[in-house]
Amino acid sequence: DGGITQSPKYLFRKEGQNVTLSCEQNLNHDAMYWYRQDPGQGLRLIYYSQIVNDFQKGDIAEGYSVSREKKESFPLTVTSAQKNPTAFYLCASKVQTNTEAFFGQGTRLTVV
Amino acid sequence: AQSVTQLGSHVSVSEGALVLLRCNYSSSVPPYLFWYVQYPNQGLQLLLKYTSAATLVKGINGFEAEFKKSETSFHLTKPSAHMSDAAEYFCAVSDAGNNRKLIWGLGTSLAVNP
Repeated sequence: DGGITQSPKYLFRKEGQNVTLSCEQNLNHDAMYWYRQDPGQGLRLIYYSQIVNDFQKGDIAEGYSVSREKKESFPLTVTSAQKNPTAFYLCASKVQTNTEAFFGQGTRLTVV
Repeated sequence: AQSVTQLGSHVSVSEGALVLLRCNYSSSVPPYLFWYVQYPNQGLQLLLKYTSAATLVKGINGFEAEFKKSETSFHLTKPSAHMSDAAEYFCAVSDAGNNRKLIWGLGTSLAVNP
């Protein structure tokens, strides 16, 4: 079945460590997105990519980095520069203009 | 700039009662509008979408929404709430300036009481 797979579902990070969240899709979508979700704040866009080897900062990119070496994959690295990384992270993809986004099941990151 | 406003961060209804979740948008071009549902610790699932065809859009799980251009609204309704409808609901509009992005409302948490 086609879809978006995020892994791991739960991730624990020590302060000062970088961690990478995986996002893989087999929907053949060009555009991929990373969102951060905190209680009461809706979805905030971190980074997005509309084509392989290209990506743009979203509204809250500081402390995060991404790569888009393959159409199917859009990993997100949460760096030690992100001061408050504990959150629920969602990956999504879209096929084209004005279509809906498809979401993965999310990764809950907790700093311990 | 486009924006989406969801009125009421928390809505509580009794089982069997009407569900009404409000969404107002601002857009300089004809919008494409979406409603999503999110259950705890899960991703978002599309409920329905408006793409300028019919103004009354029917979605999954008995939900529907009506596009009203004069009111810039796209409210979500369901005639009879079920316990399984308890979830977070998000309204979104396509970003006219960058049509592969979605602009999101802050969400409405729906509680269904027995």
